[in-house]
Amino acid sequence: AQKVTQAQTEISVVEKEDVTLDCVYETRDTTYYLFWYKQPPSGELVFLIRRNSFDEQNEISGRYSWNFQKSTSSFNFTITASQVVDSAVYFCALTPYNNNDMRFGAGTRLTVKP
Amino acid sequence: NAGVTQTPKFRVLKTGQSMTLLCAQDMNHEYMYWYRQDPGMGLRLIHYSVGEGTTAKGEVPDGYNVSRLKKQNFLLGLESAAPSQTSVYFCASRGGLADYNEQFFGPGTRLTVL
Repeated sequence: AQKVTQAQTEISVVEKEDVTLDCVYETRDTTYYLFWYKQPPSGELVFLIRRNSFDEQNEISGRYSWNFQKSTSSFNFTITASQVVDSAVYFCALTPYNNNDMRFGAGTRLTVKP
Repeated sequence: NAGVTQTPKFRVLKTGQSMTLLCAQDMNHEYMYWYRQDPGMGLRLIHYSVGEGTTAKGEVPDGYNVSRLKKQNFLLGLESAAPSQTSVYFCASRGGLADYNEQFFGPGTRLTVL
């Protein structure tokens, strides 16, 4: 069975600090996809990134970066120089390739204080 | 281009009442999903559809039924609502066949069962 664990329930930082959100997953599949979604206070879900299991390259997009390590089954998300607008709940998710059974972690609530 | 829309946005039911949530997408996506989001649990898949006229069970299907009579619409029904079904319901859709594209989410429906 698939499982995604986001052990950090809540994180609070001061603006401009760097913060890393952890995501650990379990799957028996060799081919799978990992995702990060952002849910701001308004409630909608915003797609941030998709990574397939064969691509372990780290990715950077502006202040956001992702570190995928198959050896530790982790897909961590780092926000550099955090801003108040980054305050949201962040979800990590996993799905097998060609399967529709997406499993979400419980989410990490990030609060960035000015 | 409205993306994914959900009707209604809010609803309050009494135990035992029935209702239908409507999800509509205008992106010609083949795949559609219904999730529920409960505090501290992330999103859980209720039912999904891989095309018009097809539906399948997700992680938590009990107490719900779905129908996909038209490609653009995916209906979620509660035949006899229970307080345990108080939740925020999200619909999502995705396109793509060869690759697993991200799911686009609707704004959510907040349902309270008294």
